[in-house]
Order: sequence, then C-alpha cells, then structure tokens
Amino acid sequence: NAGVMQNPRHLVRRRGQEARLRCSPMKGHSHVYWYRQLPEEGLKFMVYLQKENIIDESGMPKERFSAEFPKEGPSILRIQQVVRGDSAAYFCASSPAQGGNTEAFFGQGTRLTVV
Amino acid sequence: ELKVEQNPLFLSMQEGKNYTIYCNYSTTSDRLYWYRQDPGKSLESLFVLLSNGAVKQEGRLMASLDTKARLSTLHITAAVHDLSATYFCAPLDQEYGNKLVFGAGTILRVKS
Repeated sequence: NAGVMQNPRHLVRRRGQEARLRCSPMKGHSHVYWYRQLPEEGLKFMVYLQKENIIDESGMPKERFSAEFPKEGPSILRIQQVVRGDSAAYFCASSPAQGGNTEAFFGQGTRLTVV
Repeated sequence: ELKVEQNPLFLSMQEGKNYTIYCNYSTTSDRLYWYRQDPGKSLESLFVLLSNGAVKQEGRLMASLDTKARLSTLHITAAVHDLSATYFCAPLDQEYGNKLVFGAGTILRVKS
C-alpha cells in the first residue's frame, strides 16, 4: 500500500508563472489536507477537501490559490502568478475519514522555489 | 480558533540527559498528535493521543495528554544523537473542521 504521493518533489517557477502541485492520497483515503511550511516554521493549514468537495478553505489565501480533489485523479493545489513569498514546502496529508479517530498520513512534500 | 504553543523552541541537550517538551493549546481538543521532521524531509508520525490521561511510549520517547489542562508533553529519556530533529505537536481542531493545528516546532540537537 503506497503512501501519500506528491509530485513534483521540487518545483522551480519564475515570478508570474503558475505552479501545480499534485497529491495522490493513500488507497482508500477520501480526505485530503494541504499544509504550507515556510522555512524554519511550523505547518500552516490551507485547505481540507473530500472528493469533489471543499470542506474547509479557511487557510487559503484569498487570491491566486485554489485547490480541487476530483472524483478521479489526484488532488491539485494551484498557485497562479507566483511570487517569491510563495516559496515554501507544501505538504498534503490524507485520511480515510474525517479527522477525529483516524490518523492523517503525510506525503514527502513539494518544495516550491520562485525565482 | 485553536492556538498551539510549544516550548522550548530550541533545545540543545547532552547525550544521556532527560528533558521534556511542552505543548499547550487554547481550546478544547481530545486528540493530539506528535510528529518528527528531519531537515528537508516529511513528517513522521510518532504518537496519536486519543483521550485524557493517555500515555504512550516508544523507545526513549514518551508522550502524554491532559485534556483538562490542555497540555501535552513529550519526554525524552537518556537522549541519543539520533533523536536530533524537529518535533511538532498538533492537536485536532474539533470546533472548526476537524483539522490538525501545528505548533511552531521544537528543534532538538543532541550533542555527543
């Protein structure tokens, strides 16, 4: 049973380009969480999705950021018109059910560098 | 909104010594997770604490949860160099969406 798969592992984008980060949850997991980690800081919650639904996007910046988790395929975190401040590690986690009694497993992360 | 405070933020220890990392959180939660992160790596799950008074031990690490005091501790016994990493606590925010809220992390350096 493969773990949470994120790709790419490293992504370099020029200012103004778009970044697309992918997360394939563990088999049987229908809940996905995205977190951002700035250098030397903890993880900040961004968005929580179930298949085809955004459950909680309270941590998402109001502009340029969007997320989806379609019925088929991976969850995508999209950042439009990237700026240097978007440089960070982006982690996704998946769980089989909503928070609570189940554990969330983290992927290896995508390290985004904006030049 | 759940707030999490870890201390210390940086801990330098000699091998063989004992120490405790503290995790305070601001609102009710009866689920708390501890993770380890090595530089440039992802998060490794250490402990899942599911009830008041829960205590779990794995090797030289022991974690406990006091939901009444809104406090969790991670105790390190007879530290060894391999324990050097960043440790995060993450209580579950059950009031707003059942998501993990992370502390700032404790950077642990164990010196030989």
